[in-house]
Amino acid sequence: EIVLTQSPGTLSLSPGERATLSCRASQSVTSTYLAWYQQKPGQAPRLLIYGASSRATGIPDRFSGSGSGTDFTLTISRLEPEDFAVYYCQQYGSSKEITFGQGTRLEIK
Amino acid sequence: EVQLVQSGAEVKKPGESLKISCQGSGYSFASYWLGWVRQMPGKGLEWMGIIYPGDSDTKYSPSFQGQVTISADKSINTAYLQWSSLKASDTAMYYCARRATYYYALDVWGQGTTVTVSS
Repeated sequence: EIVLTQSPGTLSLSPGERATLSCRASQSVTSTYLAWYQQKPGQAPRLLIYGASSRATGIPDRFSGSGSGTDFTLTISRLEPEDFAVYYCQQYGSSKEITFGQGTRLEIK
Repeated sequence: EVQLVQSGAEVKKPGESLKISCQGSGYSFASYWLGWVRQMPGKGLEWMGIIYPGDSDTKYSPSFQGQVTISADKSINTAYLQWSSLKASDTAMYYCARRATYYYALDVWGQGTTVTVSS
């Protein structure tokens, strides 16, 4: 089973700053099957990035994803007030198993 | 509009059975894998299992194998998650989510069903 470890656990930044969130896999992950989600309190998760670097429909271009192998990154170029939320990475494996990272909480400094 | 609509909140006692539902609309329900995700209070997302409504092929997370049953009725575009004997530790929010055809991300999510198990 692939384990995804996200860092940091909590990130405190101000609006307008750049956020860099990390997702590290315990073994190599196919980039095609690496995704990022945003979850706000009381809401279902929302798909942000799929295929490691492609933005989902309606996602602003300040969100970008990168990485390959075991190291993946979600970058938010200039934080807007609505971006403060919890972010999860997720991978889909060859045996149809799905794994989520434990999440990174992005909070207002 | 593509959407998944889940059944309402449930309050149950330990040992009781429960079946919650997730109905899809706006797309070919039978042709997309649909997964279930648990979120315990204040915690992260946990994948429970996934089903292909077209033929009911199902894959469970090892953590949930034998603890829940996932099923689907493609004739009414509905998937189900059921428990035969609930425990207090089953208290959580449960989401269904559609797996995209390409890239395999979970691109459409239900609104969630809260399950509370308490004596």
